[in-house]
Amino acid sequence: DQQVKQNSPSLSVQEGRISILNCDYTNSMFDYFLWYKKYPAEGPTFLISISSIKDKNEDGRFTVFLNKSAKHLSLHIVPSQPGDSAVYFCAATSGTGGGADGLTFGKGTHLIIQP
Amino acid sequence: DSGVTQTPKHLITATGQRVTLRCSPRSGDLSVYWYQQSLDQGLQFLIQYYNGEERAKGNILERFSAQQFPDLHSELNLSSLELGDSALYFCASSVEGEWSPLHFGNGTRLTVT
Repeated sequence: DQQVKQNSPSLSVQEGRISILNCDYTNSMFDYFLWYKKYPAEGPTFLISISSIKDKNEDGRFTVFLNKSAKHLSLHIVPSQPGDSAVYFCAATSGTGGGADGLTFGKGTHLIIQP
Repeated sequence: DSGVTQTPKHLITATGQRVTLRCSPRSGDLSVYWYQQSLDQGLQFLIQYYNGEERAKGNILERFSAQQFPDLHSELNLSSLELGDSALYFCASSVEGEWSPLHFGNGTRLTVT
């Protein structure tokens, strides 16, 4: 049973436009959510996170939105750049302190930025 | 560079064999996590160690085991290997005591033939 779902395996966006990656979760105990970015032959790299007490968090071109009632979060990238082409993983966890329960990951969305 | 080092990068072995994957966490990180990524799958949490002690277990098979040593490096032992164990195995580390993101190594690609 997948507790974190990324329903779009791939997404193609034109350079300069907004990229929106979506993620749904089923476990209401999750209280911390993260996005990771992964290039081929590298490990996932932390991008941005959000606590369940917030509904939005921004970091430069990246904004994560959390809708707890819908159990949905999204990552917005504005403007999209060629270097953003990568696989993006949504992850979630419950509990506090060091992620003791481990992160639960979605299967990822391959974002392709078209020139 | 995440500061997490995994060796070897690639490993090819036969069914029934045993292998050991090694991970050195970032300096100062006491927690080490192991994840498995199979083809078309997300990262599956296997196990976590904190300062030498097992902290949490995920979907880890009984044929797999791990440990964390006094110098905080960790090893993941995979035995009686099957074709389905072919995957990318990632190690990650984090700071304990505050919630902080996991920092991943570049993984070990295991191929079982």
